[in-house]
Amino acid sequence: SAVISQKPSRDICQRGTSLTIQCQVDSQVTMMFWYRQQPGQSLTLIATANQGSEATYESGFVIDKFPISRPNLTFSTLTVSNMSPEDSSIYLCSVSPPGLENEQFFGPGTRLTVL
Amino acid sequence: GENVEQHPSTLSVQEGDSAVIKCTYSDSASNYFPWYKQELGKRPQLIIDIRSNVGEKKDQRIAVTLNKTAKHFSLHITETQPEDSAVYFCAASPGSGAGSYQLTFGKGTKLSVIP
Repeated sequence: SAVISQKPSRDICQRGTSLTIQCQVDSQVTMMFWYRQQPGQSLTLIATANQGSEATYESGFVIDKFPISRPNLTFSTLTVSNMSPEDSSIYLCSVSPPGLENEQFFGPGTRLTVL
Repeated sequence: GENVEQHPSTLSVQEGDSAVIKCTYSDSASNYFPWYKQELGKRPQLIIDIRSNVGEKKDQRIAVTLNKTAKHFSLHITETQPEDSAVYFCAASPGSGAGSYQLTFGKGTKLSVIP
């Protein structure tokens, strides 16, 4: 199965700043997604990262706040812009292997704290 | 959009007993239903899934059942062990069309297995 890594694993940031989270996979994958998991809560899909085109955002999430890049089939970034304490959360990427597009496997997550 | 309800939110069982977690979904077009286990501080891990053309699926001590007519599916864990203690999430995926691989998650069930 694919090995998924995320950087950074955790960070503490000041309000008003931005943080870019990287998701790297050791093999090409069809689908890549970004989720948010607030403390003690479930997973909420932020967007689908589309290779070579703009990401598809879910209701309540906008590109200006969460710009996403996916330059190739193994890498994606999520930026959390102009952060506020409400953005404190765990951010996870997930991937679907070729031929198994329904199945999603998660990266280790990035724990973000905004002061 | 899809709405997934999960019950109970917490569940305590004695070691060796069985545990059952139930989920209902709203979109009759959904056709893929995975279950994830998330241990404290870890990423969600896919433990079993079922597709709409199957009524039941087993993997050792874990089984999942699906009732498409009633739009509900359940996770059954037999002979529970302390290492089964975790938060379990159910999810549903749309059957076709835009966003057909996106997962909508339930709110999670915290399972505690008492030795």
